[in-house]
Amino acid sequence: GDSVTQMEGPVTLSEEAFLTINCTYTATGYPSLFWYVQYPGEGLQLLLKATKADDKGSNKGFEATYRKETTSFHLEKGSVQVSDSAVYFCALRGNYGQNFVFGPGTRLSVLP
Amino acid sequence: KAGVTQTPRYLIKTRGQQVTLSCSPISGHRSVSWYQQTPGQGLQFLFEYFSETQRNKGNFPGRFSGRQFSNSRSEMNVSTLELGDSALYLCASSFFPTGTSGSDEQFFGPGTRLTVL
Repeated sequence: GDSVTQMEGPVTLSEEAFLTINCTYTATGYPSLFWYVQYPGEGLQLLLKATKADDKGSNKGFEATYRKETTSFHLEKGSVQVSDSAVYFCALRGNYGQNFVFGPGTRLSVLP
Repeated sequence: KAGVTQTPRYLIKTRGQQVTLSCSPISGHRSVSWYQQTPGQGLQFLFEYFSETQRNKGNFPGRFSGRQFSNSRSEMNVSTLELGDSALYLCASSFFPTGTSGSDEQFFGPGTRLTVL
C-alpha cells in the first residue's frame, strides 16, 4: 500500500539556520503530496501542497518540490525562526479515491 | 468562518468503558474524516463520512465506529476501551470527499485527548 517515510527527528536548529526535512513516498499512480504542520496543543494545518510532478509548493518561506523520479517531497526553508518550532508531517493522497497517508512526523525545535 | 470544533477536548476513561467524541466541521463542509494520533503509530486514518455515508474505513477493529448527521456533524464511538486506545483523536473536514476534484485540503480540529486508565 501507499506509504510515506520521513527523516527521524527531533531536529534542533539555531535561529536563521537552513532547514531540510526529507520525505519520500511509495504510491501507485500520481499522488498529491502535502506538508502539514502541528503546533503544540493544536491540530494539523496545511503548510503547502503539490499535485503533479515538478510542481513546487510554497508558503511562509517553506518550499517543497514534487520529484517523481526520486519519489521525494523534501521540505526546505532558508532561515528558520523560533516560531517554526512544531511537528511537520509529510502526507500523500492517492488519486483513486484513497485516503490521506501521513508520515510519522518530524519534530523541529528552533533555538534563539 | 469558524474552524473545526471537537468536543470534549480532554477525556479520561477506564478500561472497558465506551466513549463518544464529537466533531463539528466547518460550515458547508460535508466530508468528515477521523484520525488517531499516537507517539508510536503516528497518524492513522479511522474513517471518512460524506453526506451521512461512510466512504472509507481504516484498519481498526469494529470497536471503533462512527456516524454523520444531516447537518454534517460527526461522532465517533469506541466501545470496550483498551489502554492502547489512549491517543489524540483528530477530526478533519473538507467540502468534497477525499479523492475527488477540489478535495485536496483537509481542515483539522484541535483534537480530543483520550486517556484510558
